[in-house]
Amino acid sequence: NAGVTQTPKFRVLKTGQSMTLLCAQDMNHEYMYWYRQDPGMGLRLIHYSVGEGTTAKGEVPDGYNVSRLKKQNFLLGLESAAPSQTSVYFCASSQRGGGEPGTQYFGPGTRLTVT
Amino acid sequence: SQQGEEDPQALSIQEGENATMNCSYKTSINNLQWYRQNSGRGLVHLILIRSNEREKHSGRLRVTLDTSKKSSSLLITASRAADTASYFCATDGRDDKIIFGKGTRLHILP
Repeated sequence: NAGVTQTPKFRVLKTGQSMTLLCAQDMNHEYMYWYRQDPGMGLRLIHYSVGEGTTAKGEVPDGYNVSRLKKQNFLLGLESAAPSQTSVYFCASSQRGGGEPGTQYFGPGTRLTVT
Repeated sequence: SQQGEEDPQALSIQEGENATMNCSYKTSINNLQWYRQNSGRGLVHLILIRSNEREKHSGRLRVTLDTSKKSSSLLITASRAADTASYFCATDGRDDKIIFGKGTRLHILP
């Protein structure tokens, strides 16, 4: 099993450009999450999904959109990138257990720089 | 705002000593988890403790949970150089959200 993979690993964008980050998991997990990590800020939840076809807003959703068309994939889109979106983005997935999310499995991260 | 807050923000100890870090949270939870992150890598799950549990062990790790004080502690015994990393607590909030704290940076000195 590859676990959780993220594409791309690195990206540099100019302000105003758009891009999509892809997260894929092969563990048949119900839950998937997108976080951003900035120095001194820990991980902040952007959007998440509790199942195929569903998405929900996290702590810092503005400027991002997501889609979960297939259970194994969770896409994070930036429509018009801003320098404030320079960050490391992590995707995670977890299995639903006992009516609550369980252990999260993380991808290796995508380092995005917006100039 | 973030649910969990770790304390201290940074900790340096000698190899072989025990390391203790704390996490406080604001609202009721179903479970609390601890994760480790090595520099430049993704997070790795260490241990999960449910709200009806008070203590849990896994190898050199010991986690306690005090729901009345809304706090948890992670103890790493007999620390090793490989334990140098950032440690995060995460709580499940409403609507299946998992919220992380800002982390404790642990540095093990040789």
